[in-house]
Amino acid sequence: GQQVMQIPQYQHVQEGEDFTTYCNSSTTLSNIQWYKQRPGGHPVFLIQLVKSGEVKKQKRLTFQFGEAKKNSSLHITATQTTDVGTYFCAPFTSGTYKYIFGTGTRLKVLA
Amino acid sequence: SAVISQKPSRDICQRGTSLTIQCQVDSQVTMMFWYRQQPGQSLTLIATANQGSEATYESGFVIDKFPISRPNLTFSTLTVSNMSPEDSSIYLCSVGGDYGYTFGSGTRLTVV
Repeated sequence: GQQVMQIPQYQHVQEGEDFTTYCNSSTTLSNIQWYKQRPGGHPVFLIQLVKSGEVKKQKRLTFQFGEAKKNSSLHITATQTTDVGTYFCAPFTSGTYKYIFGTGTRLKVLA
Repeated sequence: SAVISQKPSRDICQRGTSLTIQCQVDSQVTMMFWYRQQPGQSLTLIATANQGSEATYESGFVIDKFPISRPNLTFSTLTVSNMSPEDSSIYLCSVGGDYGYTFGSGTRLTVV
């Protein structure tokens, strides 16, 4: 089936460093959602992006939708240990009429 | 957003047996979704369950293996039938859509 690639697959950072995960699609996306899953937990909805070039911020998290609506990124400024987890993008494509979860980026923050 | 109660939270089952997972939502929803998450992997949609109609299964998933019930707008069950060790996974139910999905806490299934 269709798979949405995220890079990197894993990222270890020192606390205080920044972190970015990228979500890439070969097709144009209608919109995209982002989720965080803590170790042992379930995915929790973070945000949805709809417009080309859209940028949204949640405290230290910045989400961006590409101008061509084929990619998206999540940037965390000054990571904290509470940021540990796996971040998934979930784009919606009109071709499938559903949200497909990306491969995920597992973030580990070293204190 | 909706609150979902999912149970059991975990189970260890013998191969060849079946397990039924239940999800109760605190509000009425049109569609409920069932996902599988294998260890260290992403989420894979198993099926979409609408009340009053047969569930719609994704490629690679069949009703005989994963029968779903949706008796009303707040409840659904997923059964994992004739289990094998390859079915060991986390199973999650979910509701939502264009404004984000809410997930149950998941069922961690181990088949021995």
